[in-house]
Amino acid sequence: AQRVTQPEKLLSVFKGAPVELKCNYSYSGSPELFWYVQYSRQRLQLLLRHISRESIKGFTADLNKGETSFHLKKPFAQEEDSAMYYCALSGTGFQKLVFGTGTRLLVSP
Amino acid sequence: DTGVSQDPRHKITKRGQNVTFRCDPISEHNRLYWYRQTLGQGPEFLTYFQNEAQLEKSRLLSDRFSAERPKGSFSTLEIQRTEQGDSAMYLCASSPRLAGVSSNEQFFGPGTRLTVL
Repeated sequence: AQRVTQPEKLLSVFKGAPVELKCNYSYSGSPELFWYVQYSRQRLQLLLRHISRESIKGFTADLNKGETSFHLKKPFAQEEDSAMYYCALSGTGFQKLVFGTGTRLLVSP
Repeated sequence: DTGVSQDPRHKITKRGQNVTFRCDPISEHNRLYWYRQTLGQGPEFLTYFQNEAQLEKSRLLSDRFSAERPKGSFSTLEIQRTEQGDSAMYLCASSPRLAGVSSNEQFFGPGTRLTVL
């Protein structure tokens, strides 16, 4: 079975501090990993996916198959980064997304 | 707005009543998904369509739930004899199937919040 674990419900940092939101997954096949973000009163939207290897809004995430992790990082957090972040897994052989429980990031001034 | 739309945005109903939600995917997206999200949880998969064919259903989708996508465009999710445990946000997402591109990026709608009294 596929599973995504986000161990932190809440991550609170000050503006300018580095941020790392943790995500671990369980899947025996070839995974496709995503980070989705939900800002206050907005819909869930894609932040980044591992296959594109992009940096979006200063965020990066590297897929580590050995550690089965896909942690989201940003070197200097901004107040506008405050949101709910969900890690999601898909893969060959299944079309759905399997989501973690989410981490709320709160960036204080 | 060319994004995924859902109607209604909010629904309050009494236990035992039937409710129906509608989802309009992004034009030409042939894959459509329904998810349910409860407080403190991430979205949980309910069912998936490719064009008009319903290809997968979660065990979460009891026999009180039915989904259709009759013409391969919009979809409806019906819940019969609602229970208080059905209270949740129901999310719809769509995804294109592009030749030569293997990605399951999904675009989400704003959701329908159901409250069962």
